[in-house]
Amino acid sequence: QVQLVQSGAEVKNPGASVKVSCKASGYDFTTYYMSWVRQAPGQGPEWMAIINPRGGSTSYAQKFQGRVTMTRDTSTSTVYMELRSLRSEDTAVYYCARRQSYYGFSGYSYFFDYWGQGTLVTVSS
Amino acid sequence: QSVLTQPPSVSGAPGQRVTISCTGSNSNIGAGYDVHWYQQLPGTAPKLLIYGDSNRPSGVPDRFSGSKSGTSASLAITGLQAEDEADYYCQSHDRSLGGAYVFGTGTKVTVL
Repeated sequence: QVQLVQSGAEVKNPGASVKVSCKASGYDFTTYYMSWVRQAPGQGPEWMAIINPRGGSTSYAQKFQGRVTMTRDTSTSTVYMELRSLRSEDTAVYYCARRQSYYGFSGYSYFFDYWGQGTLVTVSS
Repeated sequence: QSVLTQPPSVSGAPGQRVTISCTGSNSNIGAGYDVHWYQQLPGTAPKLLIYGDSNRPSGVPDRFSGSKSGTSASLAITGLQAEDEADYYCQSHDRSLGGAYVFGTGTKVTVL
């Protein structure tokens, strides 16, 4: 069965960086794009980044451009998300999520069919 | 601040029908992008509920249904059950953000 297992909770000082991992199993890792989505306390999900595990190409939300890097290791079926220059507003649960595609009347659309368990990142001095 | 707006809360008695709206604009839902829905139980990750406007993944009860018209979409829950008490989010894409994935503001469903 598909499983996405993330690394543990982190506590960071403002200005520091954090790197979160997500290990995939139960399917062909290179077949599906993977994303990072974060959720601040009491807020809705917010998409951050996506990677094509096959070639490693990435795309980032405008809000995080220059501050986030997403990478992958195909030998271990793991994706990583590094967020730099942390501030208190970055305190959130960070999820990895597998992207699935669907072809309907409007053409292709994309959604997230499997999610990791989440990693709480707390930014506080 | 999300580009997809949902009511903060809806409630209903067991067995009743409730609907959740997801209102967008001509740069997202109105541009023809599909809408997907997720259910999030307290302390857990979101779970896919509806994809492609109205399709249910295997294992999702047929009490859940989705629809779309113009710049809005809706999720309906019929025969409301206690275990349906959760947060619900819509998701689509937005052309003005380069096709980025966007989520709704979220709706808390309370079973009275």
